Amino acid sequence: KQEVTQIPAALSVPEGENLVLNCSFTDSAIYNLQWFRQDPGKGLTSLLLIQSSQREQTSGRLNASLDKSSGRSTLYIAASQPGDSATYLCAVRPSTGANNLFFGTGTRLTVIP
Amino acid sequence: EPEVTQTPSHQVTQMGQEVILRCVPISNHLYFYWYRQILGQKVEFLVSFYNNEISEKSEIFDDQFSVERPDGSNFTLKIRSTKLEDSAMYFCASSVHYEQYFGPGTRLTVT
Repeated sequence: KQEVTQIPAALSVPEGENLVLNCSFTDSAIYNLQWFRQDPGKGLTSLLLIQSSQREQTSGRLNASLDKSSGRSTLYIAASQPGDSATYLCAVRPSTGANNLFFGTGTRLTVIP
Repeated sequence: EPEVTQTPSHQVTQMGQEVILRCVPISNHLYFYWYRQILGQKVEFLVSFYNNEISEKSEIFDDQFSVERPDGSNFTLKIRSTKLEDSAMYFCASSVHYEQYFGPGTRLTVT
């Protein structure tokens, strides 16, 4: 069964710093990987989706990379802002034909003004 | 920008009661999903629905759960006889193909 792990579990950085969040998955047979943001008590906001054939995706200050063979993805946030404070989740979709997502436990990010 | 909506935002029910959670997916989306998140735990897949039938379901989605698309816009999750361990945040999601868009969730509290 696919297991998705995210480290660190929590991260606190001063405003303006660049940071990297890590995601690893045990089964490299994935169709795609999606990064989400979750604010406390709220739903999930899709940030980036990377297909298995892609190496990275960029959206504004966010850049996500994927190394499928080693079972890793990173989310790079440039010039962090207090508004980036949230929990960041990664999720993988298996390539077996199923369309469900397997989620990690998330990284709780706090950006200190 | 189109978004997935869910009602109610919070539902409190007594153990053994039936609950129906409602979702309105994004209008041109074809795939619909329910996930749940028990407090402090991972988001877990429950079921996916396509072309008016269940396409995938997890071990969690037992006979106590059912889904329905009663009309062209709503997508519902019914829990027939709620248990204390059903207390969680339930998220509806929809997609055209790959990227799933999630609703704000319904917090279900079973007492």
